[in-house]
Amino acid sequence: DAGVTQSPTHLIKTRGQQVTLRCSPISGHKSVSWYQQVLGQGPQFIFQYYEKEERGRGNFPDRFSARQFPNYSSELNVNALLLGDSALYLCASRLQGAGEAFFGQGTRLTVV
Amino acid sequence: AQSVSQHNHHVILSEAASLELGCNYSYGGTVNLFWYVQYPGQHLQLLLKYFSGDPLVKGIKGFEAEFIKSKFSFNLRKPSVQWSDTAEYFCAVANAGKSTFGDGTTLTVKP
Repeated sequence: DAGVTQSPTHLIKTRGQQVTLRCSPISGHKSVSWYQQVLGQGPQFIFQYYEKEERGRGNFPDRFSARQFPNYSSELNVNALLLGDSALYLCASRLQGAGEAFFGQGTRLTVV
Repeated sequence: AQSVSQHNHHVILSEAASLELGCNYSYGGTVNLFWYVQYPGQHLQLLLKYFSGDPLVKGIKGFEAEFIKSKFSFNLRKPSVQWSDTAEYFCAVANAGKSTFGDGTTLTVKP
């Protein structure tokens, strides 16, 4: 059974550009969450989606947005990239809104 | 706002030593508590979780944690560590659709 898959695995963007990161949850999981992890820190919560609706939002600027599709996959969009957006972006899926989170390997975003 | 504090950033132990990693959270309501582990080169995975009931929870690989509500703590323990326990450990709380992680504790176990 496939785990959580994220694409791409690595990405290099220039300041001011826009980026879209993708996540496919475990089959049957209806909840997807996004996290940003900077070196030396724990994952910082960005969004949670459950049944295609936003159920939680962390303290991130409006440049960050996300959506969940009918097949429960999700995209995270970041506009007007800043150098400080360089980080590992993690996606986690859950069977429901609460419960154990299963993490993907992450997308390493580098903004230059 | 909820927050999670992990007291130890880096712990170094010899094999067979006992382990206790501290975790304190700040949130007055009902929370779900978790410990996740990240082995070198691997993704985050769940060690154990507490939702309700017995405050002493047992997880995989001999780990356990005790929820002490009055102290807002959820410390992780293992009686005897192995070299293979070398990893980064994260405490997390979840409530109302929001998850908060601590900054992690790096555990190095010397053979």
